[in-house]
Amino acid sequence: NAGVTQTPKFRVLKTGQSMTLLCAQDMNHEYMYWYRQDPGMGLRLIHYSVGEGTTAKGEVPDGYNVSRLKKQNFLLGLESAAPSQTSVYFCASSSGTENTGELFFGEGSRLTVL
Amino acid sequence: EDQVTQSPEALRLQEGESSSLNCSYTVSGLRGLFWYRQDPGKGPEFLFTLYSAGEEKEKERLKATLTKKESFLHITAPKPEDSATYLCAVEVNFNKFYFGSGTKLNVKP
Repeated sequence: NAGVTQTPKFRVLKTGQSMTLLCAQDMNHEYMYWYRQDPGMGLRLIHYSVGEGTTAKGEVPDGYNVSRLKKQNFLLGLESAAPSQTSVYFCASSSGTENTGELFFGEGSRLTVL
Repeated sequence: EDQVTQSPEALRLQEGESSSLNCSYTVSGLRGLFWYRQDPGKGPEFLFTLYSAGEEKEKERLKATLTKKESFLHITAPKPEDSATYLCAVEVNFNKFYFGSGTKLNVKP
């Protein structure tokens, strides 16, 4: 049972390069999220999706774009990477059922922007 | 502004030495409060959900409690395998979650 899978796990970019992080879940969850985690700042929500074809901004959306073309996949794109985007990125999903609220996380993608 | 604050940032305990972690929150319209455990290099893993003041949940050596302004994660007689970062999160809109910065727990044998 894979749960939430993120690729790649590690990536090094130069300033100005673009890349896409892929998140895939096999639990038929409606809701998917992208968070970034920085030392001392906890997890901050970048973008989220409440269903296939929908996306919405979170707390720190600038510099990122997302797409949810298929229910099981949620892509996070960086069009022009900046050193401030060096972070660990986590994808999560939830069923969206009221009063469950449990988030299932991937193992993270560590991105370094030089 | 919605805020979640966890304390202490780091906690060192001897094996068997009980203690508590704190999560205080200032949010409008709390729907639920969640505790997660995160091991180094891994994603957070769900521990508990609390929905109303006075509620308590237990799992092995962990017990979570909730008041109107804060939650505590009590750790009774911890073991080295309890060492991890413990994250608190609040749900303020349906399925939208805000996280605290975590408490890093180190339990020495």
